[in-house]
Amino acid sequence: GAVVSQHPSRVICKSGTSVKIECRSLDFQATTMFWYRQFPKQSLMLMATSNEGSKATYEQGVEKDKFLINHASLTLSTLTVTSAHPEDSSFYICSARTGTGITDTQYFGPGTRLTVL
Amino acid sequence: GESVGLHLPTLSVQEGDNSIINCAYSNSASDYFIWYKQESGKGPQFIIDIRSNMDKRQGQRVTVLLNKTVKHLSLQIAATQPGDSAVYFCAEAKKKGSTLGRLYFGRGTQLTVWP
Repeated sequence: GAVVSQHPSRVICKSGTSVKIECRSLDFQATTMFWYRQFPKQSLMLMATSNEGSKATYEQGVEKDKFLINHASLTLSTLTVTSAHPEDSSFYICSARTGTGITDTQYFGPGTRLTVL
Repeated sequence: GESVGLHLPTLSVQEGDNSIINCAYSNSASDYFIWYKQESGKGPQFIIDIRSNMDKRQGQRVTVLLNKTVKHLSLQIAATQPGDSAVYFCAEAKKKGSTLGRLYFGRGTQLTVWP
């Protein structure tokens, strides 16, 4: 099946620092990847849609200057949380779209737990 | 549309029983539906999907039923096992041409299997 990886799985940082999270599709090419945020016992909230070679599309209320997304290749998208603060602590999950037509679906990475002190 | 739940519905079943997890979706134009399983501290895992031109689809120990009339989706798990304990999310989407649009997730249901 389609495998999506994320790195790191956990990160603890000090307030004011920036953190980069990588999302990779390991056995398929993904022209589109998605970044989600999830709070405890809640559903997934879409933050942005990342398209290879173009600018990301952010959901309403998500600060594009704070959550920088780069999708430089068909297998890698990165999310950088700039000047992180404790309220940015959350579980960040990426997903990748597998293709077009009848087989198009989304597979998720294992998530990254961010803790900002 | 998208909903973010504050409190997860829960379902407790005994090992070996069948489980039925329900989901009400909001957009009658949605034509693709997915069930995901999320274990604690992990990302969602794809279980099964169904398109709007079907009303039932079976996988290994799982069956998804779609009732478009009442916009209802269900996931049936046969012979539930302790390893099935997790949060289950339904998601809906609409095709744009040949490509699926973004997913909209339901609130999720916490399934607990006890021996």
